[in-house]
Amino acid sequence: QKEVEQNSGPLSVPEGAIASLNCTYSDRGSQSFFWYRQYSGKSPELIMFIYSNGDKEDGRFTAQLNKASQYVSLLIRDSQPSDSATYLCAESGGGADGLTFGKGTHLIIQP
Amino acid sequence: GAVVSQHPSWVICKSGTSVKIECRSLDFQATTMFWYRQFPKQSLMLMATSNEGSKATYEQGVEKDKFLINHASLTLSTLTVTSAHPEDSSFYICSARDAGTGRNFGPGTRLTVT
Repeated sequence: QKEVEQNSGPLSVPEGAIASLNCTYSDRGSQSFFWYRQYSGKSPELIMFIYSNGDKEDGRFTAQLNKASQYVSLLIRDSQPSDSATYLCAESGGGADGLTFGKGTHLIIQP
Repeated sequence: GAVVSQHPSWVICKSGTSVKIECRSLDFQATTMFWYRQFPKQSLMLMATSNEGSKATYEQGVEKDKFLINHASLTLSTLTVTSAHPEDSSFYICSARDAGTGRNFGPGTRLTVT
């Protein structure tokens, strides 16, 4: 049974600071990793995905993957109040596989 | 690009009736679509993988006779909740795999069974 672990939070970060979200996964065969943002009552929005070790940057967001440690993280720079949401980490074993989600981290950006 | 739509966005039905939810990929063809369910305060759980032209693959614990999935074309998959009961009330969300590795979600369908 694949597992994706996240700290549920809430994680409180001052506006303008860097928010750091972490995720670990159990299956060494996992290939791709996804970060989604979900506002209350809404469907998840894809922030970015990563499948190679190292960092991947997209605007204010940086995903980091360390397959040896089975660890994925998401950094949000210059945090804004609109970034307040639940952030879901997910993994996939392959292209045709569905995603296994963590329970999400509730992020609060304090103005 | 890679837009996924769902219909209806919300539905209320009586216990014992059946409800059909549609998932469409609007600007791309999706050979594979996925159906998830999310209960309040919980994360998304994969229910089944829908492949165009073949039978769906269900996750362990998901009743295939209760949750009927049809993927008749490259842009449409449907989920029918048969003989719905209050415990089936949930947020049902579909996802479609595009040509890359992206997994885009539809806006979801909130089902309430009374």
